[in-house]
Amino acid sequence: AQRVTQPEKLLSVFKGAPVELKCNYSYSGSPELFWYVQYSRQRLQLLLRHISRESIKGFTADLNKGETSFHLKKPFAQEEDSAMYYCALMKGSTLGRLYFGRGTQLTVWP
Amino acid sequence: DTGVTQSPTHLIKTRGQQVTLRCSPISGHKSVSWYQQVLGQGPQFIFQYYEKEERGRGNFPDRFSARQFPNYSSELNVNALLLGDSALYLCASSWTNQGSYEQYFGPGTRLTVT
Repeated sequence: AQRVTQPEKLLSVFKGAPVELKCNYSYSGSPELFWYVQYSRQRLQLLLRHISRESIKGFTADLNKGETSFHLKKPFAQEEDSAMYYCALMKGSTLGRLYFGRGTQLTVWP
Repeated sequence: DTGVTQSPTHLIKTRGQQVTLRCSPISGHKSVSWYQQVLGQGPQFIFQYYEKEERGRGNFPDRFSARQFPNYSSELNVNALLLGDSALYLCASSWTNQGSYEQYFGPGTRLTVT
């Protein structure tokens, strides 16, 4: 079975500080990992995926298969980064099905 | 393009009743997935449909059913509603073709069972 764990339900940082949202997963195969974000009063949207290896809005995430982690990082947080962030896993054998963590509410204070 | 649309936005039902939720995918998308999001939790996979066929089902009772129409829109039906079915129901669409499976979510339908 697969599981996605986001240990922090809430995370607060000040503007300009580094931020790291943790995500750990358990799955015996080779998963696809994603970060989804939901800004206030907006729908859930894809932030980034590990296979793209790109930076979106200053965020990066590296898949660490040894530690089974996919932490989301940004060196300098901005107030507009305040949102709910979900880590999600997709198994290669079942494309289209996402397994989500419970989410981390990030608040960036001015 | 308006993105994925869902209707209704909100609804309130009584225990034991039946409910139908509707989803229209982005034009050109052939796959629709349904998720249930209980307050304080991440979305949980219910169903996936692709080309009008069920391609996957999550760990939900048989009271939950769905279908996809020739225009790729979809309906989620829940029978014999329980209080625990109160949740935000999300629909997501994707192209699902050789890895183009990025899912685009709708705004959700908020179901309250009293």
